[in-house]
Amino acid sequence: ETGVTQTPRHLVMGMTNKKSLKCEQHLGHNAMYWYKQSAKKPLELMFVYSLEERVENNSVPSRFSPECPNSSHLFLHLHTLQPEDSALYLCASSPQKTDTQYFGPGTRLTVL
Amino acid sequence: GQQLNQSPQSMFIQEGEDVSMNCTSSSIFNTWLWYKQDPGEGPVLLIALYKAGELTSNGRLTAQFGITRKDSFLNISASIPSDVGIYFCAGQRETSGSRLTFGEGTQLTVNP
Repeated sequence: ETGVTQTPRHLVMGMTNKKSLKCEQHLGHNAMYWYKQSAKKPLELMFVYSLEERVENNSVPSRFSPECPNSSHLFLHLHTLQPEDSALYLCASSPQKTDTQYFGPGTRLTVL
Repeated sequence: GQQLNQSPQSMFIQEGEDVSMNCTSSSIFNTWLWYKQDPGEGPVLLIALYKAGELTSNGRLTAQFGITRKDSFLNISASIPSDVGIYFCAGQRETSGSRLTFGEGTQLTVNP
């Protein structure tokens, strides 16, 4: 059982589509994260939010746009993606920014 | 960027055997974490280590934080089929804030 949920679990989209990934944590944590996991590569940190404020953006292309409306919800808005963006997108949360992170189940994204 | 060398990349063992995997780095970490990821799911935290030399167990799992703070190992005793999955190590430094550095994972297969 996980306190971090992600929807949808699977998403197939064309390069011209706009879609959003949603993450919700029920743990009362103050920090939330987006990671990208591609085959045979280590997890890549994309964005970090602490108390609803973006504190890290690790050179992620602008076609990925995060949004954190409150400390329990995190979105990743997708626009004009490329096939190489196909991956498992993982959300995580932690009590504070430097604490141990707990992951959601991920959204498997396929860009055609 | 910083990398963790995780080995082995894959293991094929018989049920009941013990398993050992490790991570090494050229840099010091203040925290070592071990996660397990099942197919189609997000990583689940197994063990967190916060102090050099610390040895921590979680059921059949035992992990140690190396004295040099540059390595960690995970042992699984008496493996069972549900141990199948990918095991990731992750290191965290105080100076890097929330950033985790992940290993590339060890794919474990347990034959009944």
